[in-house]
Amino acid sequence: EVQLVESGGGLVKPGGSLRLSCAASGFTFSSYSMNWVRQAPGKGLEWVSSISSSSSYIYYADSVKGRFTISRDNAKNSLYLQMNSLRAEDTAVYYCARAVTMALSAFDIWGQGTMVTVSS
Amino acid sequence: DIVMTQTPLSLSVTPGQPASISCKSSQSLLHSDGKTYLYWYLQKPGQSPQLLIYEVSSRFSGVPDRFSGSGSGTDFTLKISRVEAEDVGVYYCMQGIHLPPTFGQGTKVEIK
Repeated sequence: EVQLVESGGGLVKPGGSLRLSCAASGFTFSSYSMNWVRQAPGKGLEWVSSISSSSSYIYYADSVKGRFTISRDNAKNSLYLQMNSLRAEDTAVYYCARAVTMALSAFDIWGQGTMVTVSS
Repeated sequence: DIVMTQTPLSLSVTPGQPASISCKSSQSLLHSDGKTYLYWYLQKPGQSPQLLIYEVSSRFSGVPDRFSGSGSGTDFTLKISRVEAEDVGVYYCMQGIHLPPTFGQGTKVEIK
């Protein structure tokens, strides 16, 4: 079964850090671009970051640029999001999502999400 | 960034009746390769989003044929021919032609 499972969410104070993970199974992870998409409580979907299959290309939303770092380990079938200098407005459910290519491609498989709460 | 605007923002539908959601983009989503990169997702209550339609009108694997997508350029429509109880949730359009990918605000569909 094709599956993405996020972990690493939790409660963190403003200015703190958190590292999210996304474990992939059931498909050839190294052949796909991967993405992080977030959803603030009661709000819509916001793309956060994308990484190409070989990590050659990486993009970030302006709202997280310089604070978040996306990475992947194809040997471990895993995607990561290192989040530093967290703000209250980063509070959201974070989803990892698969895409065939970096751009021009739908997010066809999504994980169940992991909740990040930034609060003092 | 490309702005995606959905209407209506909420919809109450009697089971068995049709439903339609509009999505307009601030720029054309037609690529030089001839394809149009507009997608539709459904987020059922308490679940993660799931892909329904890709490239305007192609149904993703397992999506019932009561769902159809149409449109071109900047104007797109998702239609449900006969709404069923399992179709409740929030529907999002998304453009994939330019980075960053952007989503519409979402349309909440409920059953009367």
